[in-house]
Amino acid sequence: AQKITQTQPGMFVQEKEAVTLDCTYDTSDPSYGLFWYKQPSSGEMIFLIYQGSYDQQNATEGRYSLNFQKARKSANLVISASQLGDSAMYFCAMREAYTGRRALTFGSGTRLQVQP
Amino acid sequence: KAGVTQTPRYLIKTRGQQVTLSCSPISGHRSVSWYQQTPGQGLQFLFEYFSETQRNKGNFPGRFSGRQFSNSRSEMNVSTLELGDSALYLCASSLGPELMLTRPDPDTQYFGPGTRLTVL
Repeated sequence: AQKITQTQPGMFVQEKEAVTLDCTYDTSDPSYGLFWYKQPSSGEMIFLIYQGSYDQQNATEGRYSLNFQKARKSANLVISASQLGDSAMYFCAMREAYTGRRALTFGSGTRLQVQP
Repeated sequence: KAGVTQTPRYLIKTRGQQVTLSCSPISGHRSVSWYQQTPGQGLQFLFEYFSETQRNKGNFPGRFSGRQFSNSRSEMNVSTLELGDSALYLCASSLGPELMLTRPDPDTQYFGPGTRLTVL
């Protein structure tokens, strides 16, 4: 069963505007972590931000913030003040704590294009 | 601190051959995970090594194998290559399984630039 769902295959945003990339997840594990990665055309996966299931506050890292709604099982990435360099694929990933599996489960990704 | 390095960056092989990919983790990181990325299947977990032992394995055939050395460097090997093995192979390193989703470090996996394998 798909555990991470990213419903937006592609998104466009104007430079300097904010954009929200959606991510929903499914797990029965009470302890889990959600990660967002950026993959430019060069291929390298760049870690952006992390949210733990027990974190009381939404995570923020510079221009990146996470809109974490635990009851809805969603962890949307918000990029403020988009820049041309933000054009890339963005992946949401999850790791469950109690299953013993440390592998990240990835969504299918969202391709973001920032327009000047 | 230097990031994760992977060699080679690009490989072209023919069906039936075998290939070895190398990954050097971030200094101090003891866990190495491998992922396969294809347009059709997306990102899929291959295996994880920690302290020279395979700790987790994904759903891949036995043609895919790996190992880890005492300096935490890791290699993965694919034997009897098939056309469907063409993919970007990503290596990720992290501190290790002791830190399971605890603040301040959730044992984040940091990825290398990948090895793009083409099987003809």
